[in-house]
Amino acid sequence: DTGVSQNPRHKITKRGQNVTFRCDPISEHNRLYWYRQTLGQGPEFLTYFQNEAQLEKSRLLSDRFSAERPKGSFSTLEIQRTEQGDSAMYLCASSTQVHNLYGYTFGSGTRLTVV
Amino acid sequence: AQTVTQSQPEMSVQEAETVTLSCTYDTSESDYYLFWYKQPPSRQMILVIRQEAYKQQNATENRFSVNFQKAAKSFSLKISDSQLGDAAMYFCAYRRGSNYKLTFGKGTLLTVNP
Repeated sequence: DTGVSQNPRHKITKRGQNVTFRCDPISEHNRLYWYRQTLGQGPEFLTYFQNEAQLEKSRLLSDRFSAERPKGSFSTLEIQRTEQGDSAMYLCASSTQVHNLYGYTFGSGTRLTVV
Repeated sequence: AQTVTQSQPEMSVQEAETVTLSCTYDTSESDYYLFWYKQPPSRQMILVIRQEAYKQQNATENRFSVNFQKAAKSFSLKISDSQLGDAAMYFCAYRRGSNYKLTFGKGTLLTVNP
């Protein structure tokens, strides 16, 4: 169990640029989640994958956001035409069916700053 | 919609003392889970303790325990014998039944003074 890995740890980008984040879940975990955490707030749910299927997207996930999980392994979260309001910590978490009864395993997050 | 409220933005405690962090939640569900997560600076969020709503007994994990008052919809976290490593942001979270989504409070920043 090497934990949930997120890359990059930090990303600074200019407004209008596209960015992509990667999440590598724990290998045996078939469920993967993305959350967004803005300053002074708790994490908010963005989207959920079971294997390669994206089963739910939050209304927070505008059309500029897209997430994929090809082959049910790693996942990517892309933000197109970034805006200053996109500045946040993007957290990835994973779980199995059993773990889902209790809690997830979170990654350390990718901190995005849009300037 | 479920909401989770943490009314203490910041708390501080002396090393070796006890501190209690408050959390209240709002739900009409009877089947749910409550969690406390710890997020140290620049480090990943980790699960501290969980409570199943159907269990009357308060959960305990070593120095961490909860006071779960279901009727009052209150779920406080008590940290005994506080250590410097306990310093972190603490989030209370709710999950409905078998649903996968967590709803978090805004967090309480805990400082431990030597």
